[in-house]
Parts: sequence; structure tokens; C-alpha cells
Amino acid sequence: GAVVSQHPSWVICKSGTSVKIECRSLDFQATTMFWYRQFPKQSLMLMATSNEGSKATYEQGVEKDKFLINHASLTLSTLTVTSAHPEDSSFYICSASNSNQPQHFGDGTRLSIL
Amino acid sequence: GENVEQHPSTLSVQEGDSAVIKCTYSDSASNYFPWYKQELGKRPQLIIDIRSNVGEKKDQRIAVTLNKTAKHFSLHITETQPEDSAVYFCAAISYSGGGADGLTFGKGTHLIIQP
Repeated sequence: GAVVSQHPSWVICKSGTSVKIECRSLDFQATTMFWYRQFPKQSLMLMATSNEGSKATYEQGVEKDKFLINHASLTLSTLTVTSAHPEDSSFYICSASNSNQPQHFGDGTRLSIL
Repeated sequence: GENVEQHPSTLSVQEGDSAVIKCTYSDSASNYFPWYKQELGKRPQLIIDIRSNVGEKKDQRIAVTLNKTAKHFSLHITETQPEDSAVYFCAAISYSGGGADGLTFGKGTHLIIQP
């Protein structure tokens, strides 16, 4: 099956730090990548949709200046959490798809802001 | 936008018994309904999916049924085993093949298999 790699898997950093998370589709070209956030014991909530070569579309309530998304190639999207604070601590998961593939999820990144 | 309701939030069954999780959706344009199993701290894993042109799909111990008129779909797990213990999420999407829309997830069901 399709493989999506996400890195890093765990980040612990101080408040105010910016953190970059990478999402790669390893064996298919992902025209669209999605970023989800999952708080403990809750469901996955879509943050933004990223199409290769264009600006990301953010869901209501998600600050685009805080969560910077870049999708420069068909195999890589990055999410940068700028000036992270403790309330940004969460499990961030990407997924990738194209016209032939439904969404395949990465392993997720657990972000802990001290 | 789409709204997906999932019930129950917690389900405890004896090993060997069947488990049923139910979801409803609001957008009649939704045509793809995947089910994911998520173990603690891990990625959601697609276990079965169904498209709107089919009423039922089965894969070994797992089956999904869809009632488009009533806008609800259900996951059925038979002969449950301890390794089935996890959180299960339903989702809905209007999937045109372009892959451009995010999934709307239900709130999840914590399935507990009692030995």
C-alpha cells in the first residue's frame, strides 16, 4: 500500500520555538496533502488542505500565520508551527492523496511545548 | 459542511461477541465512507471503506453497511479478539477522485474487548 512518512515523530521544545514537521509520500505523487491535529482522547480535526504549488486552504479557526504550510513538490509538504506555546501541544498527522489514492496517513508527530 | 456523528463513545464487549459502531452524516453529497482504527499514539489505519453505490461490504470479520436514504453507516466486527481493542473513527467525504477534500471524522469509539 501507499506509504506516507512523517518526521519527526516526537518534538519537545521550549515555548516560543518554531517547529517544522515534514510529510513525504514515498511511493506516489500526492497532489493534495492534509494536516490534522488530534488532542488527547479526541478526534482528528482538519487544519488545512495543501495542493502542490499553491497556497494552503485553512479551516475556520486555524491561524495561517501560526501554522505555515508549504507544499513545494508532489512528495513533500511541511507544517511549521511558529512561536509555539503550550496550547499548541498536540498530535499532528498528515495525510496524502491523489486522484487514484484515498488518504494515507503519516505516523504523526507528537509536539510537546514546555 | 459535513457533520459526522458517531455512537457509542465507548463500547465494551466480551471476547468472541460482535461489536457495532454507528455513524450518521449530514451532507447528501458525501459518497465515500472510510473506517479507521487507531491505537494509542499511532496513525489511523484504514480498515474498511464503502462507496455510496454499495450497500454493504465485508472483509473477513469486518463489515460495513450504508443506508444512503437515512444517511447512516455502521461498522460490524464479529468474533472480536483482544487485538481489536482500539479507538475506531468513521469519516465521510465527497470523494470525486480528485482527492482535494479533507475527511470529516466522527468523535471516535473506544472499543474494549473483555477477555
